[in-house]
Amino acid sequence: DAMVIQNPRYQVTQFGKPVTLSCSQTLNHNVMYWYQQKSSQAPKLLFHYYDKDFNNEADTPDNFQSRRPNTSFCFLDIRSPGLGDAAMYLCATSTGQGNKYEQYFGPGTRLTVT
Amino acid sequence: EDQVTQSPEALRLQEGESSSLNCSYTVSGLRGLFWYRQDPGKGPEFLFTLYSAGEEKEKERLKATLTKKESFLHITAPKPEDSATYLCAVQAIYNFNKFYFGSGTKLNVKP
Repeated sequence: DAMVIQNPRYQVTQFGKPVTLSCSQTLNHNVMYWYQQKSSQAPKLLFHYYDKDFNNEADTPDNFQSRRPNTSFCFLDIRSPGLGDAAMYLCATSTGQGNKYEQYFGPGTRLTVT
Repeated sequence: EDQVTQSPEALRLQEGESSSLNCSYTVSGLRGLFWYRQDPGKGPEFLFTLYSAGEEKEKERLKATLTKKESFLHITAPKPEDSATYLCAVQAIYNFNKFYFGSGTKLNVKP
C-alpha cells in the first residue's frame, strides 16, 4: 500500500544534542510537509517542499532545518533541541496538482528531550 | 488574521446519540476545507474535502457540510469506534500549500 513512513516512531534526545527525523513516501507526491503538534493543540506547519522548492514558515525557529534529497525522502533536523521542542512531529504529503490538495500524514515521531 | 476555531473542545456521546461538531473559520479567500480524524498517538487520517458553500460529503456515519463561515461534521448514530479527535483545516486561495488547522474536537462515544 502507498503510504507515508516516519522513523523513528519514538526519539529521545538530550538537551542541545542534534537530532534528525526521517520521512519517506511511496505516493510519489510533489509536496512534503513537516508539522509540530503539541498535546491537544493544532498541528503547526514548520515548512514544506514543492518538489525541491523549500518554503519556510516565518515563525519557524532557526533551530529547525529540513532537507529533501529526492522525491521520496524528507528530513527534519533539530540542531539544538530545547525542552520546548518536545512534541509529536508529523510528516505529510499531497499531490499539489489539480484539485487534490488533501494531505496524507505519517504516524508521527514522538520526540522527548531530557 | 486567518484562523480556525473548533467547538466544542470535547464531546461525550452515548452510542447512537447523534450530534454535530463545528469548525468556524476566517481566511482571506477559502480554497478548500478539510476534515481529518486523529487517533491517540497517530497521524491525522483524511476524511473529506469541501470547496464551496452548500457542498456536502458523506462517509458511513459522517456527513460534512460547508457554509461561507463554518463547516459542520454531523455524526449519525455514533459507535464507540468513532471515538477520536476530529481536526478541521482550511486552505487559503493565495497559498495552496498553506493549511490552517483547528485544535480539534475530542469525541468520546460510550457504549
